[in-house]
Amino acid sequence: DARVTQTPRHKVTEMGQEVTMRCQPILGHNTVFWYRQTMMQGLELLAYFRNRAPLDDSGMPKDRFSAEMPDATLATLKIQPSEPRDSAVYFCASGLAGLAGGPRQETQYFGPGTRLLVL
Amino acid sequence: AQSVTQLDSQVPVFEEAPVELRCNYSSSVSVYLFWYVQYPNQGLQLLLKYLSGSTLVESINGFEAEFNKSQTSFHLRKPSVHISDTAEYFCAVSEVQGGKLIFGQGTELSVKP
Repeated sequence: DARVTQTPRHKVTEMGQEVTMRCQPILGHNTVFWYRQTMMQGLELLAYFRNRAPLDDSGMPKDRFSAEMPDATLATLKIQPSEPRDSAVYFCASGLAGLAGGPRQETQYFGPGTRLLVL
Repeated sequence: AQSVTQLDSQVPVFEEAPVELRCNYSSSVSVYLFWYVQYPNQGLQLLLKYLSGSTLVESINGFEAEFNKSQTSFHLRKPSVHISDTAEYFCAVSEVQGGKLIFGQGTELSVKP
């Protein structure tokens, strides 16, 4: 049963600390998305990658957030330094984009999320 | 740019009653449409999607949605809900030639016995 995995599932940290969240996309998927979910803002797209290259990170605060894909099986989202307003659930999703020239839609499969609390 | 509006933030309903969760979208280009469901403390799961073809799409658990291009709507319906349908439901849109999903604010469906 292929699924997206995320670690850690829960993280409590103090303001100013670095936070690293990891995501393992479904094997064979070539697109990875990072979302943030809060009560106030709902679901926000932070960044996404296709074939490990960042395509759009316009939703991500650049001064403290960074997203990378060191290899095809691992995506990371880092916050440094963390702030209380970063408290949220962070979701990773993966998908398989269509072939070049074809529809570029892919169904996104979501991980269980990392619940982050910054004190 | 696209946007999605879910008209009801909360929908309480009794078990076995019908339900409709409303979704309207705005876009200047062709789009794909989706409904995702989020059960408590879980990630989102795809419920159904419209890509092309028949404007009525169905899920395996009895939900259906109809794409109405003239009204820019993609409302989700179920003729008889179960307690287990209690969850938050998100409508989403993406450009046909893009990859980003734009989500609505979600509708919390609460099914009471």
